[in-house]
This record gives sequence, C-alpha cells and structure tokens, in this order.
Amino acid sequence: GAVVSQHPSRVICKSGTSVKIECRSLDFQATTMFWYRQFPKQSLMLMATSNEGSKATYEQGVEKDKFLINHASLTLSTLTVTSAHPEDSSFYICSARSRTSGGNEQFFGPGTRLTVL
Amino acid sequence: TQLLEQSPQFLSIQEGENLTVYCNSSSVFSSLQWYRQEPGEGPVLLVTVVTGGEVKKLKRLTFQFGDARKDSSLHITAAQPGDTGLYLCAGEKRGSQGNLIFGKGTKLSVKP
Repeated sequence: GAVVSQHPSRVICKSGTSVKIECRSLDFQATTMFWYRQFPKQSLMLMATSNEGSKATYEQGVEKDKFLINHASLTLSTLTVTSAHPEDSSFYICSARSRTSGGNEQFFGPGTRLTVL
Repeated sequence: TQLLEQSPQFLSIQEGENLTVYCNSSSVFSSLQWYRQEPGEGPVLLVTVVTGGEVKKLKRLTFQFGDARKDSSLHITAAQPGDTGLYLCAGEKRGSQGNLIFGKGTKLSVKP
C-alpha cells in the first residue's frame, strides 16, 4: 500500500516550453500532496503544499506563476513548469499524505528528472 | 537557516562495522521521520518517531527520538553493502500543515 507514482520519470525540453508533471496516489486518497525539488547532492526543498480542491501554498521564494500546481482530485496533483529555463533543471519529487492515516507520514513518488536545454 | 543539522554528511565504512547518523535541531518537532533515497529515486520511508525518548528497531537499524523531541539518531549494526544510500531525516513542526523540514542527508557507502 501507499504507492505514489510520477509521470514522466524523465523529460527533456527546450527553453521556453512548459512541462507538466503528474503525481498520483495509486492505492489511497491523499488530502495533501507536496512538491519538492532536489538539486544534485543536495537535500529536498519543499516548493509547495497542495490540498485537494484549494489553491496551493507556496514556500517563500517559489514563483507561483511559474510553478503551477493543480490538485483536482484526491489522487492526482500536477505541477506545470511554465516557460522553463535551464536553471529549472532539477529532480522534482512529489509526496502524498494519506487521508485515513493517523500519522503524518508522507509517501514519495519516484521523482521526475527535468532537463531544460 | 538549516533547522535540521544532519551529520556526518559523508560516511564510508567497511562491511560489518557499526555507524550512527545524527539529526539535531534547536526546534521541537511533533514527529521525525527517517528516509533512505537511492540515486534517481524518491525517498523511501524507514520509520516515524513521535514520542520523546522513543526507540524503534527495524532489523539492524535502531532509531531514537530525543527526550525533548529536538534530535534523533539512526544506528546501523553490522552494516552491509546493501545499506549504501542517502539517509535523510525530516521533522514536522507543530502547527505546520504536515510540512517536513529535511536535513541535508548522510551519504553512506558500505564497502565489501
């Protein structure tokens, strides 16, 4: 149980294009999903918190107009990197928290490697 | 400001040795989680500790939460090459939406 998938696993795009990353909780309902980015040899940095049916809460320094987050259902959240630039190249990881879990564990997806040329 | 200081940052040991990874903070956490991450993959949850002084064991891994819930440790007994990976601690602060603050990680390499 508690499986989270991400799609695509890798994406290469040209500068100026937009890229959408999907995060799905496969066997549980997730009231909250989180989006992180991880640069090489660094830890995970929280970008935004997404609650189903409401606007995402962005961390300080994260541009909400550049990183569009939609949490349309209890099993799906999407992150769209708009007008991507090479500095947006990173490893993007989502996590989901179970609606029914009494604890606060987050279950992570396998990540999406974004390379912007 | 790094709220969670994790040490050591790198650790290279021989198979069979013991090791301890530390996670320290001046902040109190309502819970603390340990993850292991392989290159190119997402973190995998190992354990969650909630109660001050709590000790949890997972085979050769022993996790401890400090009495004041400000620090935690991960001890591995008789390390094996399969233990190689990046170990991350993450704390959840009271009043947050369940947001986790991650330490910088400990990159462990166990040589046969």
